[in-house]
Amino acid sequence: AQSVTQLGSHVSVSEGALVLLRCNYSSSVPPYLFWYVQYPNQGLQLLLKYTSAATLVKGINGFEAEFKKSETSFHLTKPSAHMSDAAEYFCAVRNNNAGNMLTFGGGTRLMVKP
Amino acid sequence: ETGVTQTPRHLVMGMTNKKSLKCEQHLGHNAMYWYKQSAKKPLELMFVYSLEERVENNSVPSRFSPECPNSSHLFLHLHTLQPEDSALYLCASSQYNTDTQYFGPGTRLTVL
Repeated sequence: AQSVTQLGSHVSVSEGALVLLRCNYSSSVPPYLFWYVQYPNQGLQLLLKYTSAATLVKGINGFEAEFKKSETSFHLTKPSAHMSDAAEYFCAVRNNNAGNMLTFGGGTRLMVKP
Repeated sequence: ETGVTQTPRHLVMGMTNKKSLKCEQHLGHNAMYWYKQSAKKPLELMFVYSLEERVENNSVPSRFSPECPNSSHLFLHLHTLQPEDSALYLCASSQYNTDTQYFGPGTRLTVL
């Protein structure tokens, strides 16, 4: 069975600083991996996804993530944080049973200080 | 309207009430999902419907009853809920067996 661990339930950075949100996965087969963002009082929005093509994936709002098989990681980064990036971020792995089930990590709340 | 919509956005109900949550997708998808998002817990998949048939039911209590009358609409009927059922209920849709799910804004449910 697949699983996802997000290290750090809260991350705080200063505006303009590097954003690094960590995600490690467990999967017996090559995984499909996703990052979603949730702004206050809203649903989840897809940031980016890895589906076995390029290992460096670029998403919306300047975010990118790199798939590292040797480290079973899919960390999310952004070179320079904006105040508008403050939100909760979820890493997810697609299950390999029937259908399109996603298993989500516990989420990381990103806070951006002025 | 575009995307995935959910109504109501907020709902307060007593433990003896019966209410329903509604989800509608305008994306031409054929799979729909209900998730529960509680504080300090990961997103929990509750139900999956594909082509209007239930595919997955992750051992959800019977006080939650889903209904999928067609590929665009999904309901979650609620009765005799408990305070611990208070949460954000999210609906999502996708093309079945493709990778991207699109989420609605959620219904914030409070059970008194």
